[in-house]
Amino acid sequence: DTAVSQTPKYLVTQMGNDKSIKCEQNLGHDTMYWYKQDSKKFLKIMFSYNNKELIINETVPNRFSPKSPDKAHLNLHINSLELGDSAVYFCASSQDPRDIGETQYFGPGTRLLVL
Amino acid sequence: GNSVTQMEGPVTLSEEAFLTINCTYTATGYPSLFWYVQYPGEGLQLLLKATKADDKGSNKGFEATYRKETTSFHLEKGSVQVSDSAVYFCALISNTGNQFYFGTGTSLTVIP
Repeated sequence: DTAVSQTPKYLVTQMGNDKSIKCEQNLGHDTMYWYKQDSKKFLKIMFSYNNKELIINETVPNRFSPKSPDKAHLNLHINSLELGDSAVYFCASSQDPRDIGETQYFGPGTRLLVL
Repeated sequence: GNSVTQMEGPVTLSEEAFLTINCTYTATGYPSLFWYVQYPGEGLQLLLKATKADDKGSNKGFEATYRKETTSFHLEKGSVQVSDSAVYFCALISNTGNQFYFGTGTSLTVIP
């Protein structure tokens, strides 16, 4: 069974559309994350949720809204997509980042292309 | 503030060569340090980690030592293989657990 799964794997869409990316983890972790990886492989955290509550919200446009229906799921909704949103989006999870040395487990990524 | 700086790539090595990828950090307190690896078309996987000064993380022939005096966590492998071709990320998690920083990634290509 895949520990952290994301859907879809590829997403091609037009500028201005609204889209969602789903993430699920079956590890029983309390914390989930969304990262954005640009074309130069630079990886930056966007959001972090712990037990369905937002604990990190980096400076991302408010067109991006995370939604956590339960602690096993963290979905990312993007409104009014722009060309610059094209990237690979990774979901990750960990038990409790406040535990020393806690490992994050990453999903396979969603490759978003905005035309 | 906290940050991670790692050497820029791409790095190209012949099989069985020695590998070093430099990583230095700035942090308040005592962060945990990680190396993650990303194989082509996949997500990141933990390669190794160290949680306190002088700890050595090791896995699959890779090693890195947490050096507080030089604020470094350099990744090394004595003899690389073609299958090691990937992008390597140095990462830091603050001791409060609420700050996460990844380096810019170093692409490694190993040629036969």
